Amino acid sequence: AQKITQTQPGMFVQEKEAVTLDCTYDTSDQSYGLFWYKQPSSGEMIFLIYQGSYDEQNATEGRYSLNFQKARKSANLVISASQLGDSAMYFCAMRARKNTGFQKLVFGTGTRLLVSP
Amino acid sequence: EPEVTQTPSHQVTQMGQEVILRCVPISNHLYFYWYRQILGQKVEFLVSFYNNEISEKSEIFDDQFSVERPDGSNFTLKIRSTKLEDSAMYFCASSELTGTNSPLHFGNGTRLTVT
Repeated sequence: AQKITQTQPGMFVQEKEAVTLDCTYDTSDQSYGLFWYKQPSSGEMIFLIYQGSYDEQNATEGRYSLNFQKARKSANLVISASQLGDSAMYFCAMRARKNTGFQKLVFGTGTRLLVSP
Repeated sequence: EPEVTQTPSHQVTQMGQEVILRCVPISNHLYFYWYRQILGQKVEFLVSFYNNEISEKSEIFDDQFSVERPDGSNFTLKIRSTKLEDSAMYFCASSELTGTNSPLHFGNGTRLTVT
């Protein structure tokens, strides 16, 4: 079974600083994808970044980067130069390949990030 | 940028009533999903749908729940007889592919309140 663990219920960072949100995962599958989503207080789920299990380079999307350490089964999200608008809940999620061919997305419990001026 | 749209944004219903939550997935996407999030808690998978069939469902998705794609654009979730514990945010999502590298794109959600 797939499992995503986010051990930080809340994180604080000052504007313009970088912050790392932790995510560890557990799966016996060799092929899987890791995703981060942002959920602002308005409630929508916004896709941020993706990392494939076979990707050798860490994914980057603008100010977001994913620090992927396969041996440690971790996929931490790094937000550089934090902005007030980054204050939100952040979810780590995973899809793993199954023999049935269909993979659902499994979420962690989330980390609430608060960016202060 | 194309997006998943959900209606209504907020639905209040009485216990025992039927509700239908509506979604319009992104037009070229083939895989559709419903998730729910009880306030402040984890995002939970309900059901996935492809080619007019349920592909997978969770233990939450019991006989009270059903999904349908009544036409080429809409995707609906029906709860036949709502319970207080069905109060949650319900998210519809779609993906172009079902592979591990295909992100799900979520709608803004429908907040369901059962009184």
